[in-house]
Amino acid sequence: QKEVEQNSGPLSVPEGAIASLNCTYSDRGSQSFFWYRQYSGKSPELIMFIYSNGDKEDGRFTAQLNKASQYVSLLIRDSQPSDSATYLCAAHVGGGADGLTFGKGTHLIIQP
Amino acid sequence: GAVVSQHPSWVICKSGTSVKIECRSLDFQATTMFWYRQFPKQSLMLMATSNEGSKATYEQGVEKDKFLINHASLTLSTLTVTSAHPEDSSFYICSASGTADNSPLHFGNGTRLTVT
Repeated sequence: QKEVEQNSGPLSVPEGAIASLNCTYSDRGSQSFFWYRQYSGKSPELIMFIYSNGDKEDGRFTAQLNKASQYVSLLIRDSQPSDSATYLCAAHVGGGADGLTFGKGTHLIIQP
Repeated sequence: GAVVSQHPSWVICKSGTSVKIECRSLDFQATTMFWYRQFPKQSLMLMATSNEGSKATYEQGVEKDKFLINHASLTLSTLTVTSAHPEDSSFYICSASGTADNSPLHFGNGTRLTVT
């Protein structure tokens, strides 16, 4: 059974601070990992993806992957109120043909 | 980037009727598309994998005779909710990825279905 676990929150972070979102996964065969942002009533939007151990940076976002610990995280620097949303972590086992397994999402609130 | 178009964005129908939702990949060919369902404050749940030119693969607990999927071309998959009931009211989202391994999924804008 493939599972992706996230703390549902809400996680409240002051504006300008670093928001840290965490995710664990159960299937060691998972090869790629994705972070999606979902605003209420909207479809998920891809933020970042990561395949290799270590850090991957894109603007204010940094994804971190530790396959030994089966742990993925997303850091958001200089948090803005517009970053307030639900962040979904997803894992993908294998290449191409399988859908993603999603966590339940973490509700992030950036306080002005 | 890859664009997935979904139509309609919302629909209200009466109980017992059928509703068709279309999902198109606009700038790439998608041999595989995925249909997800999301209830309020819940995560995305994969319903089925739509394979071009063959039968869809349904997740456990999803009725294939109720949720008909057709993937007639490399750019179009349709989901038909047959004999809809109020409990089918949900947010339905399609997604597709490119052909390369580990290609990220891109989502359509979703369809809000309300069955009265």
